[in-house]
Amino acid sequence: DAKTTQPTSMDCAEGRAANLPCNHSTISGNEYVYWYRQIHSQGPQYIIHGLKNNETNEMASLIITEDRKSSTLILPHATLRDTAVYYCIVRVEGDDKIIFGKGTRLHILP
Amino acid sequence: DTGVSQDPRHKITKRGQNVTFRCDPISEHNRLYWYRQTLGQGPEFLTYFQNEAQLEKSRLLSDRFSAERPKGSFSTLEIQRTEQGDSAMYLCASSLGQGAQYFGPGTRLTVL
Repeated sequence: DAKTTQPTSMDCAEGRAANLPCNHSTISGNEYVYWYRQIHSQGPQYIIHGLKNNETNEMASLIITEDRKSSTLILPHATLRDTAVYYCIVRVEGDDKIIFGKGTRLHILP
Repeated sequence: DTGVSQDPRHKITKRGQNVTFRCDPISEHNRLYWYRQTLGQGPEFLTYFQNEAQLEKSRLLSDRFSAERPKGSFSTLEIQRTEQGDSAMYLCASSLGQGAQYFGPGTRLTVL
């Protein structure tokens, strides 16, 4: 079973920051937080991952709370092409599989 | 485009027929994974290879399913005697060692 809890769906206005929350209260010390997204009819796309420090790349920022029990994925300037299902996953780096939950369906509104 | 390619992108077959899908991973990636995704659900792990060795198989992978990666490069997933319940998107991913997995576009299978 997935070890994360995410809202089923969210809306965000185009051009605004999209903040997607994720709870992972049972995360272990050696487990990373990964984010993937899946645009309709495509394969999942890797976004970002982190252990305990905040991370930023060209796609997004990942903010992990100090106790590591929750995190937020931030898309700084959402566009219509960011409409997708976003999956928050915890896994030990090097694990052979990803266990996906149902994710958050993000709708970017024009 | 992640660099992982899958062929075909769509396959329609009749119940009882055999089908085979191909995945070409990113060239330097030594790990290759297969997942299955049904409508409204997240992808589910089926099996993975490190180089040519198949190291784990999910209990979702019934005896009718077989996967190979003969030279540690491309992989094939075969389903024998297809059933309507096999209708799904079949996803392939690859990674370099313990790094992030990069997914292909998937093969959508419809069993009539």
